[in-house]
Amino acid sequence: AQSVAQPEDQVNVAEGNPLTVKCTYSVSGNPYLFWYVQYPNRGLQFLLKYITGDNLVKGSYGFEAEFNKSQTSFHLKKPSALVSDSALYFCAVRDPRRYIPTFGRGTSLIVHP
Amino acid sequence: GAGVSQSPSNKVTEKGKDVELRCDPISGHTALYWYRQRLGQGLEFLIYFQGNSAPDKSGLPSDRFSAERTGESVSTLTIQRTQQEDSAVYLCASSSPGPRTDTQYFGPGTRLTVL
Repeated sequence: AQSVAQPEDQVNVAEGNPLTVKCTYSVSGNPYLFWYVQYPNRGLQFLLKYITGDNLVKGSYGFEAEFNKSQTSFHLKKPSALVSDSALYFCAVRDPRRYIPTFGRGTSLIVHP
Repeated sequence: GAGVSQSPSNKVTEKGKDVELRCDPISGHTALYWYRQRLGQGLEFLIYFQGNSAPDKSGLPSDRFSAERTGESVSTLTIQRTQQEDSAVYLCASSSPGPRTDTQYFGPGTRLTVL
C-alpha cells in the first residue's frame, strides 16, 4: 500500500520569507514522489519530481524539494515566497510497481504581502 | 502544443439524470486517469487506462460510474442516475508511462453540480 500525508491544511508566510510545505509518505520500496500546484479554478500543474539520484530536486518557479529517505519526507521549499505562489499544493507518491499515484489532501499556501 | 482538454467546463444537472464528461489527452500519451475532487478535498482516483490494456477500475465508487476509452484517444466518463454527492470537479490527466516521463498532465476539469 502507498500513502501520503500533508500534515498542514494551510501554511501562511510573508512575502520574501522562506516557505516550507510538508509531505511524508509510506510506500514499500523506493518511491516516486511528485509535487503539483493548483491555482483557483484550474487543473493541477506539475512542479517537480523525485525518481532517483540527487536528493535535492529543483523544479518550476524556483521551488525545490528534498527527498529524505530516513524520515520518509519530501518537503517542498522556496527561499523567498511571492504573493503569486498562493495556491493549493499537492504531494503525490507512487510505488514504481504501480502506475497509479496517491495524492495528499493538499495544503493551501497563503503568501501575505 | 495542446494540453489536456476537458468538456464541458461546467455541468449543472438534476438528480437522477445521466451525464457524460469528455477528456482529450495529449497526443501520444498512452496513459489516462480520471480523478474526482470534492470541495476542499484531495484527489480521489477513479479509473486508469493504459493503451489497449484492461482499465483499472478499482477507484470507481459505484456501478453508476463507468468510463470508456478507444485506443489512445478520447475518454468519456459517464455517471448514471446522478446524486447530489456526485457534485465535484472531475479531473482528467494523461501521461506517457516510464520512470522519466510519467509526469501527469492535468486538464482544467469539469465542475459537476447535481441539484
